[in-house]
Amino acid sequence: EVQLLESGGGLVQPGGSLRLSCAASGFTFSSYAMSWVRQAPGKGLEWVSAISGSGGSTYYADSVKGRFTISRDNSKNTLYLQMNSLRAEDTAVYYCAKDSRLYYDSSGYSDYWGQGTLVTVSS
Amino acid sequence: DIQMTQSPSSLSASVGDRVTITCRASQSISSYLNWYQQKPGKAPKLLIYAASSLQSGVPSRFSGSGSGTDFTLTISSLQPEDFATYYCQQSYTTRRTFGQGTKVEIK
Repeated sequence: EVQLLESGGGLVQPGGSLRLSCAASGFTFSSYAMSWVRQAPGKGLEWVSAISGSGGSTYYADSVKGRFTISRDNSKNTLYLQMNSLRAEDTAVYYCAKDSRLYYDSSGYSDYWGQGTLVTVSS
Repeated sequence: DIQMTQSPSSLSASVGDRVTITCRASQSISSYLNWYQQKPGKAPKLLIYAASSLQSGVPSRFSGSGSGTDFTLTISSLQPEDFATYYCQQSYTTRRTFGQGTKVEIK
């Protein structure tokens, strides 16, 4: 059974940093691209970032580019999102999602999702 | 980025009704369109990928169609467990943008 468990969320001041983790199990982690998607309170879904199965290719939304860094440790079956220079508008539930393919490309889609971790940016 | 626009933003329907949700892309995305269902406090769930392919385990009352810029998600006979918010998402580009969502409520 595919399981994705996010952790690392919490309350952080504007300008601060936080690192989210997503522990994966039930599938061959290194064989699939992974993504982060967020949802601000009461709002819709926003794609944030993605990474290929090898970790060699990464992708970012304009809203987080230069501030967030996605990475993965295939030996630990874990996906990460390092978030720096956090802003109030980054407040959201952050979901990690497994992609259907090794490479993050047009034919892929997010077939499994974690339950999310809440990040609150406030002073 | 490609903009995805869903209509309506919300709808009220009764159990047994046929429901159709529309998603329009700001440019052609071929058939690279996915549909997700989200219930309150829960993670999104994949329903349809590649515009019309039903994800394993999803009831056959859900179907998707379309290509280019115009797509539809149809629920043939609405069930109590289908009351939720539905999102379309394009995967034509690596920046996989979502529609704003359509909330399906009980009439």
